[in-house]
Amino acid sequence: GENVEQHPSTLSVQEGDSAVIKCTYSDSASNYFPWYKQELGKGSQLIIDIRSNVGEKKDQRIAVTLNKTAKHFSLHITETQPEDSAVYFCAAARRQLTFGSGTQLTVLP
Amino acid sequence: EAGVVQSPRYKIIEKKQPVAFWCNPISGHNTLYWYRQNLGQGPELLIRYENEEAVDDSQLPKDRFSAERLKGVDSTLKIQPAELGDSAVYLCASSSAANTGELFFGEGSRLTVL
Repeated sequence: GENVEQHPSTLSVQEGDSAVIKCTYSDSASNYFPWYKQELGKGSQLIIDIRSNVGEKKDQRIAVTLNKTAKHFSLHITETQPEDSAVYFCAAARRQLTFGSGTQLTVLP
Repeated sequence: EAGVVQSPRYKIIEKKQPVAFWCNPISGHNTLYWYRQNLGQGPELLIRYENEEAVDDSQLPKDRFSAERLKGVDSTLKIQPAELGDSAVYLCASSSAANTGELFFGEGSRLTVL
């Protein structure tokens, strides 16, 4: 089955700096790669996703890049703000989502 | 519109006791998922329903776990008897597409087994 590895497990950045989280996947047939944000007391929310026919997607301060050859994809958050502090999960899917182990992002004021 | 609702939010039980979790998905979502999330890990799928049919339960430990979605709307997940290793957050999610659609998660039910 699919295996998704996510790095780093924790990440601290200064407010206004950029944050990058990386994931690798094992199943070359996976074609859908979402990112979820998990905050305390809230259900996880989809923040951005990308499909295998696209190499990059951007939504305001958030972008995701996909390298199908290398089987890795990354989340980029620019101009980080304290409210970006949360746990971020990547996932990969052909038919069913397999999640990475999560990254605790802390944005320091 | 209400999101995915789960209850209870927290449950503490002693090992060998039974426990049940309830989930009400977003109205109109025909696909419902139960995930288990251990501390410091990502969610792992236990079971997926399409309407009232369990279409993927390969990761559900069937000796002690059971789930149902009788009318194709809300669902219950039961553990009997609970073991220490069952301590985790149990997440319910729903979606309106069967495959790789956006999942909407509930806040989760945190289980502690003593």
